[in-house]
Order: sequence, then structure tokens, then C-alpha cells
Amino acid sequence: GAGVSQSPSNKVTEKGKDVELRCDPISGHTALYWYRQSLGQGLEFLIYFQGNSAPDKSGLPSDRFSAERTGGSVSTLTIQRTQQEDSAVYLCAWGGDGSYNEQFFGPGTRLTVL
Amino acid sequence: GESVGLHLPTLSVQEGDNSIINCAYSNSASDYFIWYKQESGKGPQFIIDIRSNMDKRQGQRVTVLLNKTVKHLSLQIAATQPGDSAVYFCAENIQDSNYQLIWGAGTKLIIKP
Repeated sequence: GAGVSQSPSNKVTEKGKDVELRCDPISGHTALYWYRQSLGQGLEFLIYFQGNSAPDKSGLPSDRFSAERTGGSVSTLTIQRTQQEDSAVYLCAWGGDGSYNEQFFGPGTRLTVL
Repeated sequence: GESVGLHLPTLSVQEGDNSIINCAYSNSASDYFIWYKQESGKGPQFIIDIRSNMDKRQGQRVTVLLNKTVKHLSLQIAATQPGDSAVYFCAENIQDSNYQLIWGAGTKLIIKP
């Protein structure tokens, strides 16, 4: 996805470890989303940031998941005490700050929890 | 909750033929629909969108059809090429009232040589 970089591209971790995933979108867009995509599945909404408003965390699956966005640009998604079921591709998207919610995606981070 | 396209079917199409990918949506209040293409190892890429005041919209080799009566959305790809191999997702939204897109599970398009 043009304009959005995510790091790392791949992350392998052991069960119980914490991981931090980074999203660096094009600056100037106020809306940022995190999604999770399990193998062969659709996108599962996790969290949404819009400007200086409080984020919508309604999609976070448990309190082990948290995210923040600094300076209205870079965002990090943190997963504490990772579990095997956390294994998935984590996608960041920007956009959706106009009347129509077209979103532009980064390449994702593939997380594997052993 | 509301849902779009519950299944992940696979569609096999001969190279050069037209492909039709279907999507059923359940929220009659949805008024904006998008098709995304996701190639292996990449994030979803926007293909085409349509608003509910339209029933057809054309892009380059792609056409989206919207039938609000039966809450059905389709993506037609003309003269399918090997590069069209991907998973295609439909997504819906209620314009200006909900920023979230509701995503379907996707359809995997396989191109036969």
C-alpha cells in the first residue's frame, strides 16, 4: 500500500512475550485504523484513531492489546503476553476521513507466536 | 452484528474470460460499498467503489453492480489476466454516520492458463 509503511514485516515471537508493531502512514490524514487478518479470513477491526479524538477501541479482543498514536502520525500496536491465537497479519490503514470511507492499507506485519 | 459476504469461496476462471465475484450484504442502511483486491503477502488495495444512488459503475476492466432490492453487490472483471489472481473483498459503510467499514470474508480468484 502506497504511503503506509509497517514494521517489522515479519515477527516471530514466543508465547508470553510482548510485541510492538509499528505503522507509519502518510502525514496529513487524520484517520488511522488497525485490523487483524487471520489466514484465509477477512479483516477484523481492532482500533480507530481520528485526529485528537479518543480512539475507538471497541475491536480490541482483550486487554492484552493496546495502541497509541503519537503526533497524529505514527501508531504502535502492542500485544502483551502473546498467545498462539494472536498469530495473524496485522494491517494498518489510513483514510476514511472524508465523506466516504475509502481506506489505504500498508503491507502488514505477519506475527507468528510459537 | 451486521455482516457482508460470510464465506470465502474460490472462483476459477480461464484466462481471457470475464470474472464475476458476488457479495451479499445485510445492512439495508448501508449506502457506500467498496471492492478491494488483496494479493498474496500484501495489504488490500482499493479497486472501485459505488454509492447507493447508483446501480452500476465502471472502471478500467472492472464494473461494480449494485442491486439494493436484493442487497447484492458484484464485481465484474473483463478479460481476466494472471495478475488478477487475488482475494477480493467487498466492504460496506453507512456514509457520514459510521466510519467503520464492514468487511466480507473475501473470494479467492484463481486464473487458469
